Amino acid sequence: ETGVTQSPTHLIKTRGQQVTLRCSSQSGHNTVSWYQQALGQGPQFIFQYYREEENGRGNFPPRFSGLQFPNYSSELNVNALELDDSALYLCASSLGGDRAGDTQYFGPGTRLTVL
Amino acid sequence: GESVGLHLPTLSVQEGDNSIINCAYSNSASDYFIWYKQESGKGPQFIIDIRSNMDKRQGQRVTVLLNKTVKHLSLQIAATQPGDSAVYFCAEKDYGGATNKLIFGTGTLLAVQP
Repeated sequence: ETGVTQSPTHLIKTRGQQVTLRCSSQSGHNTVSWYQQALGQGPQFIFQYYREEENGRGNFPPRFSGLQFPNYSSELNVNALELDDSALYLCASSLGGDRAGDTQYFGPGTRLTVL
Repeated sequence: GESVGLHLPTLSVQEGDNSIINCAYSNSASDYFIWYKQESGKGPQFIIDIRSNMDKRQGQRVTVLLNKTVKHLSLQIAATQPGDSAVYFCAEKDYGGATNKLIFGTGTLLAVQP
């Protein structure tokens, strides 16, 4: 186990709704990255938070937003849900910054289904 | 749990044999590479990593080889066991924009036959 936890495990929403996913990072880690994994594909980077600031963003629209709290836990919010948002959402924690070799450790993911 | 192996390249091996999983990466500027194992219904699990100043690194039953000339990475698993059955992803570290993001390959499903 990596010590990274995510909640909820599964979630079902309908189109147009909003969702909030949560992640608790591994003890001592100050960076959280969020990824979207569609069925049968590799994870795709959404964004990263380092010491409560967004530290880079992938090719996702603004309706995907996030937060990081002083204890380094994080939230991913998705507004105006679309059917294509159905996926496994993964968070990964790491020690932070842009140090070479900074390993990211993944949580178990939240499976989101949009109907 | 759901399958993450749909439409993925598949490598089928007999228990006890050695497995070699290959990966071609895209960015010649990447300087850090990682192999992850993902079992059905779970998040990716770190296996082994390698920096670009190395061409080989060994762990317990696993070896990663890096060929920067042809941008190729491989994962060798010795004496493959049924518990090794999973989808394996290579990932490269992209420092564009000072972001610590990982770029994942498409994955390979390893099926170990008893």
